[in-house]
Amino acid sequence: DTEVTQTPKHLVMGMTNKKSLKCEQHMGHRAMYWYKQKAKKPPELMFVYSYEKLSINESVPSRFSPECPNSSLLNLHLHALQPEDSALYLCASSPRGNGELFFGEGSRLTVL
Amino acid sequence: DAKTTQPPSMDCAEGRAANLPCNHSTISGNEYVYWYRQIHSQGPQYIIHGLKNNETNEMASLIITEDRKSSTLILPHATLRDTAVYYCIVSPLNTGGFKTIFGAGTRLFVKA
Repeated sequence: DTEVTQTPKHLVMGMTNKKSLKCEQHMGHRAMYWYKQKAKKPPELMFVYSYEKLSINESVPSRFSPECPNSSLLNLHLHALQPEDSALYLCASSPRGNGELFFGEGSRLTVL
Repeated sequence: DAKTTQPPSMDCAEGRAANLPCNHSTISGNEYVYWYRQIHSQGPQYIIHGLKNNETNEMASLIITEDRKSSTLILPHATLRDTAVYYCIVSPLNTGGFKTIFGAGTRLFVKA
């Protein structure tokens, strides 16, 4: 299995909702990442987990809450989001935590 | 901050070679050059990486200058499906730096 699977593919939520994005990989990779991508912009790093521990938080607002329950799973919990948080959220994994990344297809989030 | 600079866009005729340049003048001795591409609304896809020697795989060739301050990704026979944004990234290979940052990338248009 060489895939990073993200669910859901599309999510629409209101500003008062609580929702979660899910990412799964079964390649035994040590590092997992969340990126946010706005239209016509490059992916922007949000969080990095290494061996299930949060190693990087790029000053992301607390309305985004990551969680790594085990080495294969990465969640991003969303609460009280703003319309400007609407974007494509990309999950990636890396065998060595370097530039070799395997990306999922992304979850497209719309906040109303 | 991204450590690479790339032209914002390039055109290429179908069937011709596409040569995408990248400047990474502050690259460190332990940093590799990685290339990714992102087709519209999909997750970025790894293409190739290298340290100082030229590299080739089934997708592309990577030419790195002797001083390692710049590189060129070559798609030998571009097809319409190669229309995408191409990202050049520098990152350590083995030290697990984790902070893989994307620059603005080059938007390649392959025209029939």
